[in-house]
Amino acid sequence: KAGVTQTPRYLIKTRGQQVTLSCSPISGHRSVSWYQQTPGQGLQFLFEYFSETQRNKGNFPGRFSGRQFSNSRSEMNVSTLELGDSALYLCASSLNAVNEQFFGPGTRLTVL
Amino acid sequence: KQEVTQIPAALSVPEGENLVLNCSFTDSAIYNLQWFRQDPGKGLTSLLLIQSSQREQTSGRLNASLDKSSGRSTLYIAASQPGDSATYLCAVKFRDYGQNFVFGPGTRLSVLP
Repeated sequence: KAGVTQTPRYLIKTRGQQVTLSCSPISGHRSVSWYQQTPGQGLQFLFEYFSETQRNKGNFPGRFSGRQFSNSRSEMNVSTLELGDSALYLCASSLNAVNEQFFGPGTRLTVL
Repeated sequence: KQEVTQIPAALSVPEGENLVLNCSFTDSAIYNLQWFRQDPGKGLTSLLLIQSSQREQTSGRLNASLDKSSGRSTLYIAASQPGDSATYLCAVKFRDYGQNFVFGPGTRLSVLP
């Protein structure tokens, strides 16, 4: 069974631009969560989607948004990029929110 | 506020040693706790998941225990190998924090040949 996949793996953007990251969960998983990882703040929860509905959102500004499609694939978007948005963005999928979570390899975003 | 801490922050041991990594959390009302390892620049690999009703889980050389009342979990690694070198992260799903993980800062483990 294929694991969680994330595209692209690496991105370089400049301040003020916007970016869209994609996550394909494990087949059959309906819950997709997004996390931001930085050296200073560690792993922080962004949001979680289940059956196309956002169930929970972390403490991030409105520039961070996401969505989930009917096939459970998810995208997250960051608008008006700032230098501080440079991070590894990780996606995780699970059958349901209380089941084991499996992570993708991440997208490394660099904002110049 | 729900928090997760991990001690030690870094650990260096010779190959073959048994070792224990510690995770503490501030609220005993949890759904589950999951241990991960992360290699530099990579995603997270799931090691063990312990549900709130369980006391321990085992997988190969790994054993994780959970004591909700004291807010603690330990990850025991037997007969450590250089390939075990990585950062180990503890994540807790608190009942009063939606249904999403709060991660600890991690323990960076180096196993020396």
